[in-house]
Amino acid sequence: DTGVSQDPRHKITKRGQNVTFRCDPISEHNRLYWYRQTLGQGPEFLTYFQNEAQLEKSRLLSDRFSAERPKGSFSTLEIQRTEQGDSAMYLCASSLAIGELFFGEGSRLTVL
Amino acid sequence: ELKVEQNPLFLSMQEGKNYTIYCNYSTTSDRLYWYRQDPGKSLESLFVLLSNGAVKQEGRLMASLDTKARLSTLHITAAVHDLSATYFCAVVAFTSGTYKYIFGTGTRLKVLA
Repeated sequence: DTGVSQDPRHKITKRGQNVTFRCDPISEHNRLYWYRQTLGQGPEFLTYFQNEAQLEKSRLLSDRFSAERPKGSFSTLEIQRTEQGDSAMYLCASSLAIGELFFGEGSRLTVL
Repeated sequence: ELKVEQNPLFLSMQEGKNYTIYCNYSTTSDRLYWYRQDPGKSLESLFVLLSNGAVKQEGRLMASLDTKARLSTLHITAAVHDLSATYFCAVVAFTSGTYKYIFGTGTRLKVLA
């Protein structure tokens, strides 16, 4: 297995545009997590899936953010009408049950 | 509110010295993870601690867990420049019917030659 992969690695967009990130977890992992990290901070929980079910979504997540994991495999995170405050590294991680989290390389978003 | 706090937040140390990073958490948990992050990179797993009294060692790093004190430590022995990075601890907590991984604030370590 090649580990958790994320695409794109870096996205530059203008304020107001929509962006979508994709995450492919480790194949046998049933749990998938999205985190956001800004400079100098720890990863901040956004949402997580167990198989295809989205079980929790952070209260900090605005309605402009949506995530899906349609077949319990890959996941997408979409941000609509981006704002400059959305600029961050978006990290995807997967785990088997509540075991160790394995992180992807992250998708860095820059909103101009 | 669930909190995971690390101290110090910043650590600058000379090569060859020893130091300990502390991770305190506010909820009951018997699972704790340590990660390393290099600038601009993602998080790399270092240690998995699954029970009270667990101790793991890898090279110059040693991690321990005291679930009764809600404390984990990451001890650095004879630091070298290659250990310069940010270190995070993460606690698994059961809250609101689900398990959550809560990350600490991070400790930015700089080892000076």
